[in-house]
Amino acid sequence: EVHLLESGGGLVQPGGSLRLSCAASGFTFSNYAINWVRQAPGKGLEWVSAISGSGGSTYYADSVKGRFAISRDNSMNTLYLQMNSLRAEDTAVYYCAKDPLQISLAGTIDYWGQGTLVTVSS
Amino acid sequence: QPVLTQSSSASASLGSSVTLTCTLSSGHRSYTIAWHQQQPGKAPRYLMKLAGSGSYNKGSGVPDRFSGSSSGADRYLSISNLQFEDEADYYCETWDSNTQKVFGGGTKLTVL
Repeated sequence: EVHLLESGGGLVQPGGSLRLSCAASGFTFSNYAINWVRQAPGKGLEWVSAISGSGGSTYYADSVKGRFAISRDNSMNTLYLQMNSLRAEDTAVYYCAKDPLQISLAGTIDYWGQGTLVTVSS
Repeated sequence: QPVLTQSSSASASLGSSVTLTCTLSSGHRSYTIAWHQQQPGKAPRYLMKLAGSGSYNKGSGVPDRFSGSSSGADRYLSISNLQFEDEADYYCETWDSNTQKVFGGGTKLTVL
């Protein structure tokens, strides 16, 4: 059974940094692209970033480009999101979400994690 | 890039049927989408992948009451024999190769 478990969320001041993790199990991690998707309080879903199965290709939404960095450790079956220069508008629940193929942006999400809350506030 | 348009809300009675619509923007009518369900306070759940041809593949454990269909730029999610647990937000999703994923604004379904 596919399982995705996010961690690392919390309260951070504007301008601060945070690193999220997503531990995966139940599938061959390196064979699939993974995404980060966020949801601000009371709002809809917003795609944030994607990484290919090998980690060689990464993609970002314009809203986070230059501030966030996605990476993965296939030996540890873990996905990361390094978030720098955080703003109040980055406050959201962050989900990791699996794609059905190794290459990114070539299919729709087929599994979701439970999410981790990031709050940016002074 | 593609834009997905959804009605903000819908409602139907317990035991009845409802159809939700996701409309693709001009120039993207052939795109495959996915439907996701988000019950209150929970993470999203993948329901199905739906192609422009109308063929669909459901996720593991998705009840037979859920089905999909397509017509032109419209992608539909139909739910029969509505249950209270179907009350949720429903999102459609697609992608643009080498640029981004896109979500619709979501439809809040109320079961009366």
